[in-house]
Parts: sequence; C-alpha cells; structure tokens
Amino acid sequence: EAQVTQNPRYLITVTGKKLTVTCSQNMNHEYMSWYRQDPGLGLRQIYYSMNVEVTDKGDVPEGYKVSRKEKRNFPLILESPSPNQTSLYFCASSPGLAGMNEQFFGPGTRLTVL
Amino acid sequence: GQNIDQPTEMTATEGAIVQINCTYQTSGFNGLFWYQQHAGEAPTFLSYNVLDGLEEKGRFSSFLSRSKGYSYLLLKELQMKDSASYLCAVRGDRGSTLGRLYFGRGTQLTVWP
Repeated sequence: EAQVTQNPRYLITVTGKKLTVTCSQNMNHEYMSWYRQDPGLGLRQIYYSMNVEVTDKGDVPEGYKVSRKEKRNFPLILESPSPNQTSLYFCASSPGLAGMNEQFFGPGTRLTVL
Repeated sequence: GQNIDQPTEMTATEGAIVQINCTYQTSGFNGLFWYQQHAGEAPTFLSYNVLDGLEEKGRFSSFLSRSKGYSYLLLKELQMKDSASYLCAVRGDRGSTLGRLYFGRGTQLTVWP
C-alpha cells in the first residue's frame, strides 16, 4: 500500500530531551516536507526537501533539524525541545512540483513537551 | 509573503449545498489545492485547479479565478460525514516558493441533521 508513515504517533517528553520523529514514504517521491499544525494557525511548513541531500527551511524552522540521506526517509530532529514545540506534526511527500501532484500526508505525530 | 484567507467556521444542514470561499495573495501561483481534514487525522486531497473555471468531482466541485485571486469549494448533498475542516492551499512557482504549499487556516464545517 502506497503510504507515508510516521513514528511515533504520540509522544510526551520533557524540555531539553532530544527526540527524533521518523518519516518514511514508499512511493519513490522526490519531494518531502514537514508541517506543524496548531489551533487557529493552520499548517505551517518547517522544512522541505526537493531530493536526497537537498533540504531547505520553511516558514518555522527554528528549533528543528532535518536530514535526507535516502529518498524514502526524512526524519525531523528536535535537539532541545521546548514547550512551544508542543504541536501536531505532519510529514508529507509528493512526486513532483507541478501539475496535479498533490502532497500525501502521514498520519501525524502528536507531541507534548512538558 | 503569502496570504490565504478562508472563513473560520461554517454550518449547514444535511442534504444542503455549501460554498467555502478562499482568497489568496501570493508572490506566485502554480495551482490551488483543497484538502479535507477530519479532527486529529491527516489532510486528504480533494481537488486541484490551475486554470480558471470549475472542476467537478462527484459531490465536490472547485472553482478558480486567477485574476481575482479567488477559489471556492462547493459541496452538494451534504452528509454528516462531511463535517470536517477544509483547507485551501496555494502552490508556489518560483525561487524559494517553488513547489511549496501555503495553507489557509482552514474552514471548520459542521453539518447538522
């Protein structure tokens, strides 16, 4: 089944404890992206990647890191999480940047930082 | 910057028709997407417009006017399961916006029996 998977789905952690949220897609998509979604603010892009070893900042990159060493994986790293990073996180992938190439979203990771 | 506006909330009754509007002011344009998102779930793709006009897909239709920076999503024969948030997103076409999706804050639709 074609899909985007994220792990973990739920995580409660404490301030300053490094964590990684994994994202993997099995559709051979070149484009991958991370978003956070907060009430009243909608989906905001954190980082994106056009291809392996190519990553760029989105609109809210502070406090996050990413890497794209393989086409299928795009992990999101929080080196020192803070309470303002409590949010619902979505990973997405797309086969291309034009035409009717919609982004496919993972199931989401609900993160709480105490 | 990129500015996408849509109403925060709408309500309608089962069997009715509802139109959700979206206006945008962006530095470039390479297509407009509508997504549906049920509470706590991932957004799922509904429709795509890149040329002016109406695209119809079953009970859902989407319209685009590029000159007016305006789109709407039309939902017909509403069902209870249509209660969800509807997200409008514009895709960038150049430089640092190329391929990126810029989302509105979503319109929460509640369908009453």
